[in-house]
Amino acid sequence: EIVLTQSPDFQSVTPKEKVTITCRASQRVGNSLHWYQQKPDQSPKLLINYASQSISGVPSRFRGSGYGTDFTLTINSLEAEDAAVYYCLQSSSLPLTFGGGTKVEIK
Amino acid sequence: QVQLVESGGGVVQPGRSLRLSCAASEFTFSTYGMHWVRQAPGKGLEWVAVISYDGNNKYYADSVKGRFTISRDNSKNTLYLQMNSLRVEDTAVYYCAKERARYSYGGDPDYWGQGSLVTVSS
Repeated sequence: EIVLTQSPDFQSVTPKEKVTITCRASQRVGNSLHWYQQKPDQSPKLLINYASQSISGVPSRFRGSGYGTDFTLTINSLEAEDAAVYYCLQSSSLPLTFGGGTKVEIK
Repeated sequence: QVQLVESGGGVVQPGRSLRLSCAASEFTFSTYGMHWVRQAPGKGLEWVAVISYDGNNKYYADSVKGRFTISRDNSKNTLYLQMNSLRVEDTAVYYCAKERARYSYGGDPDYWGQGSLVTVSS
């Protein structure tokens, strides 16, 4: 199975700062890499799919990039409501696998 | 708006069985693959299983293979997860999730239910 390694595990950020989260795959996944946001006591929400495709209704400050094995989720100008855990997911091959998550805290 | 509502969770002893249901509405259930994903308390997301839109294709995580069975009844717009031989480590919130693309199998889920808590404890 494909292992996804996210970094960092935790990030404490001031509002309006830029946040960068990385996800590295143990094998090439093409662009079949997706990003989810999970706020406390809520279900995950799809933010970005296929590495960089925007999802309707998601603020434009969320951007994804990457291909193959290295991917990045960028949150430009962080807002207080962005406090959450962010996960990457690969759908290049079954079983689907998630990264371990990155918790973003607002200072 | 897509709605997915899980039910059937609860407290069960190790070795026993439980069946989760996921009632779907506000989309054409019979044309979308469906997933189960779980989250142990305070932990990350773990993918469990997927079923194709017509029920003919299924795939499981190694951690549940041979113990869990995913199924669906398109006439009832309902997804199921039969969980047998439950272990303490199966304790988690179980989410059902809809695939984003019609007729796809093993793609990115877009909508998720609110989850159903399964606690395996003696």
